[in-house]
Amino acid sequence: EIVLTQSPGSLSLSPGERVTLSCRASQSVRSNYLAWYQQKPGQAPRLLIYGASTRATGIPDRFSGSGSGTDFTLTISSLEPEDFAVYYCHHYGSSPITFGGGTKVEIK
Amino acid sequence: QLLESGGGLVQPGGSLRLSCGATGFSFSTFAMSWVRQAPGKGLEWVAAIPGGGGSTYYADSVKGRFTISRDNSKNTVYLQMNSLRAEDTATYYCAKTTGLGYSYAHDAFDVWGQGTMVTVSS
Repeated sequence: EIVLTQSPGSLSLSPGERVTLSCRASQSVRSNYLAWYQQKPGQAPRLLIYGASTRATGIPDRFSGSGSGTDFTLTISSLEPEDFAVYYCHHYGSSPITFGGGTKVEIK
Repeated sequence: QLLESGGGLVQPGGSLRLSCGATGFSFSTFAMSWVRQAPGKGLEWVAAIPGGGGSTYYADSVKGRFTISRDNSKNTVYLQMNSLRAEDTATYYCAKTTGLGYSYAHDAFDVWGQGTMVTVSS
């Protein structure tokens, strides 16, 4: 089973700041089958990125994904007030598919 | 859009059936999964079924206790949960796959329901 470790666990930032979230896999993720989701309190997750770097439909271009193998990154170029949430990475390249523990992005 | 129902309070060892109705896309074309989230915790994939039904795939934590099924004539996917345990307490989400993964059980999820809460407690 591939274990996904997200860092940091949480961070406090101000609107307008750039943020980089990390997701490290215990084994190489096949064909970069890695996704990122955003979840706000009381809501379902929302797909942001799939295939490590492809934005899902309707996702603003301030969100970008990169990485390969075991190291992946989600970058938000300039935080908007609505971006404060928990972010999860998810690999789907082998069995079982798993999620990272999440990174909480809070307002400073 | 996806809309789950069927959650509630059940005693340990009991059973519950969750339903998830789909609208707005060609339901039979896409694999569906159930993903759960324990209170205050992260996400855990539970089960998957391909668009045409037939084969199914389960997380080890629920194998032999949960059954995923679908009725494409009703645009609905189900999760039958038996022998429930306290550790099954969670919000259960149904989720539609993108169709771009490498199999029905290995894909990202681009549409999620609002979730239904299952509490297993005496």
